[in-house]
Amino acid sequence: DSGVTQTPKHLITATGQRVTLRCSPRSGDLSVYWYQQSLDQGLQFLIQYYNGEERAKGNILERFSAQQFPDLHSELNLSSLELGDSALYFCASSVGLAGAPHEQFFGPGTRLTVL
Amino acid sequence: GQSLEQPSEVTAVEGAIVQINCTYQTSGFYGLSWYQQHDGGAPTFLSYNALDGLEETGRFSSFLSRSDSYGYLLLQELQMKDSASYFCAVRDNFNKFYFGSGTKLNVKP
Repeated sequence: DSGVTQTPKHLITATGQRVTLRCSPRSGDLSVYWYQQSLDQGLQFLIQYYNGEERAKGNILERFSAQQFPDLHSELNLSSLELGDSALYFCASSVGLAGAPHEQFFGPGTRLTVL
Repeated sequence: GQSLEQPSEVTAVEGAIVQINCTYQTSGFYGLSWYQQHDGGAPTFLSYNALDGLEETGRFSSFLSRSDSYGYLLLQELQMKDSASYFCAVRDNFNKFYFGSGTKLNVKP
């Protein structure tokens, strides 16, 4: 158990809908990262927040947005969902600004299925 | 742009040794990390190389050659539980993180 929690564990929804994924980082961690993993693919970096501020943005679609709240939990909002958005969404956290991937600790993920 | 290349699949027998290669291209280099992921599970950190050479952690070792933009993960005394996907990962100059597409390791009895 990494100490990073994600809810919900599974989410099934329809095309065109909007969902919110939630992540609570490890106690004391200030950075949160979001990744998307499509079937049999590697992890695609979406976005990073540090202490409430956006710090780095990857290939995140305009339909997706994220934020980090004062209590440091983060939410990833996915809107106008398409079939191709079906994937595992992972959140990771680190104490500070991770210098390398290994400093990040991953949550168990949210499996999103868009029908 | 940034890219990481790994073989898609490797098969080996229990007790054997297997090597998973990774070549990378990135703007800036802050080390090469390796992760293990079982089906449907979260990636878990295995090994990290910031400098050239071999890092050993139990049955797992990782090697890096920065001049060749190349690294590998070496798994010894393979066990059935090692059947999983293995990813190499890097960070670039813009604080973005990149993972390879993963190597699926099948361990057979």
